[in-house]
Amino acid sequence: DTGVSQDPRHKITKRGQNVTFRCDPISEHNRLYWYRQTLGQGPEFLTYFQNEAQLEKSRLLSDRFSAERPKGSFSTLEIQRTEQGDSAMYLCASNRGEKLFFGSGTQLSVL
Amino acid sequence: GENVEQHPSTLSVQEGDSAVIKCTYSDSASNYFPWYKQELGKRPQLIIDIRSNVGEKKDQRIAVTLNKTAKHFSLHITETQPEDSAVYFCAASRTGGTSYGKLTFGQGTILTVHP
Repeated sequence: DTGVSQDPRHKITKRGQNVTFRCDPISEHNRLYWYRQTLGQGPEFLTYFQNEAQLEKSRLLSDRFSAERPKGSFSTLEIQRTEQGDSAMYLCASNRGEKLFFGSGTQLSVL
Repeated sequence: GENVEQHPSTLSVQEGDSAVIKCTYSDSASNYFPWYKQELGKRPQLIIDIRSNVGEKKDQRIAVTLNKTAKHFSLHITETQPEDSAVYFCAASRTGGTSYGKLTFGQGTILTVHP
């Protein structure tokens, strides 16, 4: 499968714990995005990288969230001190032109 | 910022009928409008997109129309099949600069096609 891949697919954690998700974009794509999707809603933009530079962050991304793309390839999204409100599907996407391709997401459940 | 409204939230049709989903957007600078299909537990998949310099685009049973003046665009599915059943999302963005891929999505439409 040469699409966008995300790991893990599911994550259950206790409130207050830290979690980290990984995204591997399509190899020739220089742009990488993180979105969050809650049940019954469309994906919401969180942050965006062009190569290794994080160029934009949504106000949805609180100080507890941090994203990196150290070598301009894979990216990680870390959530510190998780809260129940962080429960959602975290989607990664990548592109080179206009068309955006999504991964299957990481479903986070905070108990 | 951009705001995208999508209607209806649910749509039920008989196999073979047509289905139409409508979206409106607020930012007149938006110039790229993709549609995504998401089956339960799966990734959103791009099914068709349109740029603001085009009024209509068709791909087999799927078509999208855009009215820039009214700031609305629609997805048309003809000869629906049960496998068309899914959640459909419209989205809008300004392309260029740092805005590539920063899509604002509608709330989604649950389409059910009954055999």
